Amino acid sequence: EVQLVESGGGLIQPGGSLRLSCAASGFSVSTNYMNWVRQAPGKGLEWVSIIYSAGNTYYAASVKGRFTISRDNSKNTLYLQMNSLRAEDTAMYYCARSKILAGTPDGLDLWGQGTMVTVSS
Amino acid sequence: DIQMTQSPSSVSASVGDRVTITCRASLGISSWLVWYQQKPGKVPKLLIYAASSLESGVPSRFSGSGSGRDFTLTITNLQPEDFATYYCQQAHSFPWTFGQGTKVEIK
Repeated sequence: EVQLVESGGGLIQPGGSLRLSCAASGFSVSTNYMNWVRQAPGKGLEWVSIIYSAGNTYYAASVKGRFTISRDNSKNTLYLQMNSLRAEDTAMYYCARSKILAGTPDGLDLWGQGTMVTVSS
Repeated sequence: DIQMTQSPSSVSASVGDRVTITCRASLGISSWLVWYQQKPGKVPKLLIYAASSLESGVPSRFSGSGSGRDFTLTITNLQPEDFATYYCQQAHSFPWTFGQGTKVEIK
């Protein structure tokens, strides 16, 4: 079955670090464009980061320099290392796969169920 | 960053109605526009990509149009399962950005 399963969320104090994981099955993260998207409670969707199959990475301005996206091809798993966490990082974090259109990432066609991150003292 | 503005923020409609949601980009994005549906407590679902291409398995009552800065999502013959929040997203340039969402409510 093709699916994504996130883990690693929880309650963390401001300034702390957390690493989210997203285990993929049924396809390879190494040959796809993989993303993290977050949604604060009761709010809209915010794109966080993408990693290309070639390894290029891009970030939202709000997390650049604090978050790092990576993958472990041998484990078929996507990661999001989150440092210097702030209250405004509190959200459900989803990993998602991009469709590929003419060799370029497009809409997000496969989503995990999400993992909740709460930043609070 | 490219700003995506959806209108209306919410719309009340009845089963069988036709609903139109618009999305405007602050810069031209060609056809790099995506639409999602999200129901309460559920994961977003891809409906339309490349502005007008219907994702596999999505009912044909959903359609998308537009290019450049102005885009439209149309739902014809609204069904009970279509009551949800809809988001547009630009995939033209990073950082990708979403609209604020449009909630389709039961009238």
